[in-house]
Amino acid sequence: DTEVTQTPKHLVMGMTNKKSLKCEQHMGHRAMYWYKQKAKKPPELMFVYSYEKLSINESVPSRFSPECPNSSLLNLHLHALQPEDSALYLCASSQALGQLNTEAFFGQGTRLTVV
Amino acid sequence: AQTVTQSQPEMSVQEAETVTLSCTYDTSESDYYLFWYKQPPSRQMILVIRQEAYKQQNATENRFSVNFQKAAKSFSLKISDSQLGDAAMYFCAYRRVDFNKFYFGSGTKLNVKP
Repeated sequence: DTEVTQTPKHLVMGMTNKKSLKCEQHMGHRAMYWYKQKAKKPPELMFVYSYEKLSINESVPSRFSPECPNSSLLNLHLHALQPEDSALYLCASSQALGQLNTEAFFGQGTRLTVV
Repeated sequence: AQTVTQSQPEMSVQEAETVTLSCTYDTSESDYYLFWYKQPPSRQMILVIRQEAYKQQNATENRFSVNFQKAAKSFSLKISDSQLGDAAMYFCAYRRVDFNKFYFGSGTKLNVKP
């Protein structure tokens, strides 16, 4: 199984809503990532979890709250978003540092629209 | 700071022809990884090819090969016998050996003409 599964695939939410994005992998990867991607732009790193601990937060606004409940799951909780937060949110996973096969595996993303 | 530069925003190639996408990067590290990812309209980022900096031999994967010039900090992707399914955004990416962070270039949109 070399898949990273993200749900939902599409999400429309109001600025006062609370929603969550989910990501799951069963490759035994111990590093998991959230990226934000605007149209025709490269992915921008938001958060990195390593061994279920937050290791990188790229100064992301607190209206985005990540959570890693176990080694297979990664959530991104959304609250009070702004229309400019509309984007494709990509989850990725990779082996832990020092392991072989160091590439990141990406999910298909959640297309988020904030209205 | 690590930066990755892709100077070609868009390129076109005729089906069955060969095309080369350029990528340069800046780093003070001696050991690192380089990647080319493909992102078709379906949105999923798919690994095309990987290169370890300590390996002098250029990586190849079927129709895809790289020209890795470590001293010049250049990492170009050659696609041979281009197919319609190769049409996508291509991102060059860099990762340090000791750090879980991928740095992406701005991307090159590849069009394949039948």
